[in-house]
Amino acid sequence: GQQLNQSPQSMFIQEGEDVSMNCTSSSIFNTWLWYKQDPGEGPVLLIALYKAGELTSNGRLTAQFGITRKDSFLNISASIPSDVGIYFCAGRRTQGGSEKLVFGKGTKLTVNP
Amino acid sequence: DSGVTQTPKHLITATGQRVTLRCSPRSGDLSVYWYQQSLDQGLQFLIQYYNGEERAKGNILERFSAQQFPDLHSELNLSSLELGDSALYFCASSVAGQGTNIQYFGAGTRLSVL
Repeated sequence: GQQLNQSPQSMFIQEGEDVSMNCTSSSIFNTWLWYKQDPGEGPVLLIALYKAGELTSNGRLTAQFGITRKDSFLNISASIPSDVGIYFCAGRRTQGGSEKLVFGKGTKLTVNP
Repeated sequence: DSGVTQTPKHLITATGQRVTLRCSPRSGDLSVYWYQQSLDQGLQFLIQYYNGEERAKGNILERFSAQQFPDLHSELNLSSLELGDSALYFCASSVAGQGTNIQYFGAGTRLSVL
């Protein structure tokens, strides 16, 4: 099935560093979403972006919906150990009551204290 | 806790068997979505139901089927299981099937086919 190109695949950083990850697609989405998944849990929504060009923050997280509607990035500032996990981007298409999320393959983040 | 409940948490079965995964959506949510997460394919959308009716289909195999009941809980049926069906299966729910509504995910069912 279709997937988004998410990079990097993994990151190893020191506590306090900033992190940046992004997703690109060959097709347009109505909405971009960023989720975080901890081991043994389902994905949890971090940020939702609804308009092209939109820049949204949630605490230390900032995400942007690309102008072309084909890409998005997520930044995490001043990382802490509990930021460890897998981050997924997702593009959403809605049409006539149906809704499909297409996910990237994830960025695995490791934070060294 | 997302409010979406999935049972069982783990399931171990043999090839050729049939299993049923169950999902209870958040209170008030009318839409239910099923996803499969495997190491090589990532998270793949399978199917969406809205208020008992199928609304969207993704990469769902013919051996798999789902339904949503009048009380809005949903079941995903997987039959003639193969080794490659081993994966995490997630259910998500949302208020409606479009607009700015958000999908909330359950903790998943880990299926192991031996």
